[in-house]
Amino acid sequence: QKEVEQDPGPLSVPEGAIVSLNCTYSNSAFQYFMWYRQYSRKGPELLMYTYSSGNKEDGRFTAQVDKSSKYISLFIRDSQPSDSATYLCAMSGAGGGNKLTFGTGTQLKVEL
Amino acid sequence: EPEVTQTPSHQVTQMGQEVILRCVPISNHLYFYWYRQILGQKVEFLVSFYNNEISEKSEIFDDQFSVERPDGSNFTLKIRSTKLEDSAMYFCASRLLDREETQYFGPGTRLLVL
Repeated sequence: QKEVEQDPGPLSVPEGAIVSLNCTYSNSAFQYFMWYRQYSRKGPELLMYTYSSGNKEDGRFTAQVDKSSKYISLFIRDSQPSDSATYLCAMSGAGGGNKLTFGTGTQLKVEL
Repeated sequence: EPEVTQTPSHQVTQMGQEVILRCVPISNHLYFYWYRQILGQKVEFLVSFYNNEISEKSEIFDDQFSVERPDGSNFTLKIRSTKLEDSAMYFCASRLLDREETQYFGPGTRLLVL
């Protein structure tokens, strides 16, 4: 079983739709959960992070973590064409070097 | 807003040659990382570096790889004898010591080994 699993998509939605992106993981030692956005041939850009279980909201973005199910989500409200990118989930354990373990990324296209 | 920078943006090299990829982390960050992303695959951890020594390395980071902080600003990744399978995008990242959850990535160096 892969440590982090993420549906690669592509996911195509109309402008204004609510987007739901998800990852599952197997390593119960993960404590930090991040979402990165990556445009083609660019570096990952940190969008949001959550520590342990719970929800976090930032503008149109909401991150949810359910550690009991080992399942994390990112919701994007009122999606815009500029949200078109690949969304990567990433996780790390607490302490030490905090290396990130990434999912494969979900390619999102928001169409006019 | 401070950013992680990387040079060169692209590098083409012949198999067996040495390459050095350079990074300038954000100035007050103390933890540094290298990751790589083979085309179409996920981002993979290579190595973390703190207080002038390797904190953790992956099994990818074998004896052909080394890292160095030669001065107060640069952080380098050296591949001693490149292989075809080293072709990838290499990302540098950095973070504050007490902010375990926020690693900031550079734009990457695209390495092509022929």
